[in-house]
Amino acid sequence: NAGVTQTPKFRVLKTGQSMTLLCAQDMNHEYMYWYRQDPGMGLRLIHYSVGEGTTAKGEVPDGYNVSRLKKQNFLLGLESAAPSQTSVYFCASMVGHEQYFGPGTRLTVT
Amino acid sequence: GDSVTQMEGPVTLSEEAFLTINCTYTATGYPSLFWYVQYPGEGLQLLLKATKADDKGSNKGFEATYRKETTSFHLEKGSVQVSDSAVYFCALSSYSGGSNYKLTFGKGTLLTVNP
Repeated sequence: NAGVTQTPKFRVLKTGQSMTLLCAQDMNHEYMYWYRQDPGMGLRLIHYSVGEGTTAKGEVPDGYNVSRLKKQNFLLGLESAAPSQTSVYFCASMVGHEQYFGPGTRLTVT
Repeated sequence: GDSVTQMEGPVTLSEEAFLTINCTYTATGYPSLFWYVQYPGEGLQLLLKATKADDKGSNKGFEATYRKETTSFHLEKGSVQVSDSAVYFCALSSYSGGSNYKLTFGKGTLLTVNP
């Protein structure tokens, strides 16, 4: 039981490049979330999903897109990366109000 | 909207000292309350939770009591260890319509425990 996994662990992008972050969970959870963590800002919700085929905007959705084609996977896309998107990205899944977090992806946009 | 305010850090203590990290919240309805811990280089892990007023959550020597009258959920530990050095996040879970639930996090408090 791997829990929540994230791919990749680290990535460096140039401004304007695109990429997709993959989150996978093997706990059969319906709810999944993408957050970004920045110094002094805590965790901010980007997008979330309440089940396969559904997505919704969180607190800071601009510049990001998501897809939940399979229940176990939640993808976060950056179409045209900007330096302001340099951050650590965490994925989480939830059951019974408890969230389970992945190890994070550290993204640097130069 | 919902919000969580926790004491700003960093907090630096000596081993075996008493720890308190304050957390207050604003929410409609009856949220569940959580403390999460993040060790260096890792994701967040649930430390403890409380789902209704006067409940006490506890784990690994840490405790927090859900106080509805003061809208607080302060984290305490009687004797901290070097291994407790981490960032601690207070959070609440609230209903946001339909079948949607979201967590609202505080900004985190960095705790450093020196030997």
